[in-house]
Amino acid sequence: NAGVMQNPRHLVRRRGQEARLRCSPMKGHSHVYWYRQLPEEGLKFMVYLQKENIIDESGMPKERFSAEFPKEGPSILRIQQVVRGDSAAYFCASSLGTVGNSPLHFGNGTRLTVT
Amino acid sequence: DQQVKQNSPSLSVQEGRISILNCDYTNSMFDYFLWYKKYPAEGPTFLISISSIKDKNEDGRFTVFLNKSAKHLSLHIVPSQPGDSAVYFCAPTFRGAGNMLTFGGGTRLMVKP
Repeated sequence: NAGVMQNPRHLVRRRGQEARLRCSPMKGHSHVYWYRQLPEEGLKFMVYLQKENIIDESGMPKERFSAEFPKEGPSILRIQQVVRGDSAAYFCASSLGTVGNSPLHFGNGTRLTVT
Repeated sequence: DQQVKQNSPSLSVQEGRISILNCDYTNSMFDYFLWYKKYPAEGPTFLISISSIKDKNEDGRFTVFLNKSAKHLSLHIVPSQPGDSAVYFCAPTFRGAGNMLTFGGGTRLMVKP
């Protein structure tokens, strides 16, 4: 019974390159969330998706960042033209339904380093 | 605009004693409160939660207390064990938020043997 799978675990990119982070939710979960954790800070919400739909992207920067959760395949968080300030741990979470009887289950994150 | 504050960045406790982690919030819409535990290089794992209709929820060694009027909640761990050493995040949400959690900054708990 695999949990939330994120890959890669570590990703190094030079400034200006693109970063693609992948997330496979737990089996049967159709709600996916992306969070970002900067060093020494808490996790900050970025985007909430259900299959093929973005439900809430209020936490995602308007430029360079995009997310998708296609009908088939993992959810992808894409960062174009990365800058040093994008260096962080990016966590994906999934849930079966709304909170109350379905807490978020997190993956182990992708640590992005921009050099 | 910090809606959720965990004012103690770190806490050190002796094994066997009680650990008390505190969390304050400002958003009165929050009606469901979760605690997550995080080890280094891992994702947060769900620990315990409480609904706003309750003021206490207990699960084994972990108890969460909610004081709605003060907009304050606390997590009690008793007895504390070295394996409890981790960062603890308070993460409230509200109905209609679609499971979107607002995380506090975390408290690093160190339980000394």
